[in-house]
Amino acid sequence: AQSVTQLGSHVSVSEGALVLLRCNYSSSVPPYLFWYVQYPNQGLQLLLKYTSAATLVKGINGFEAEFKKSETSFHLTKPSAHMSDAAEYFCAVSRSGGYNKLIFGAGTRLAVHP
Amino acid sequence: NAGVTQTPKFQVLKTGQSMTLQCAQDMNHNSMYWYRQDPGMGLRLIYYSASEGTTDKGEVPNGYNVSRLNKREFSLRLESAAPSQTSVYFCASSEGTSEVDTQYFGPGTRLTVL
Repeated sequence: AQSVTQLGSHVSVSEGALVLLRCNYSSSVPPYLFWYVQYPNQGLQLLLKYTSAATLVKGINGFEAEFKKSETSFHLTKPSAHMSDAAEYFCAVSRSGGYNKLIFGAGTRLAVHP
Repeated sequence: NAGVTQTPKFQVLKTGQSMTLQCAQDMNHNSMYWYRQDPGMGLRLIYYSASEGTTDKGEVPNGYNVSRLNKREFSLRLESAAPSQTSVYFCASSEGTSEVDTQYFGPGTRLTVL
């Protein structure tokens, strides 16, 4: 069965600091992986997705993630945090067998302080 | 182009009451989904509709029913609400059922069952 684990339910960084949000997956087949962001009182918005075309994936708002098969990881990074990055971030894996059914991690809430 | 819209935004029910959550998309997408979001658990799939005229159960379907009214609309019904159904409900849509298709989310409905 596929699953996603996000390490750290809360992460706090200073403005301008590196953002690193961790995601590990479990999958018996090559996975398709996604990062979504949820701003307060809003729905989820896609940041980026890995579809096996390239291991380093660039997304919106300066975020990127690297797929590492040997570590079963898909960590999200941003070189320099901005106050507007404060949100909740979800890693998800697309369930094998079709029908685009996503399995989400529990989420990581990112706080950015001045 | 409104994307995915949901009504209502907030609802309070008493145990045993029924209600229907409405969802509509204007992106001409074939597939639609209903998720619930609970603290510390990420999003879990309740039901999905791969295409107009079809619906299938997700991870947590008990206590819910759905109707794919037409290509645009996908409703979620609680026949007899229970406190365990207190949650935030998100509707999403995607172009198709490919595992790499992006899902687009609505703003959510916050439901409290007393």
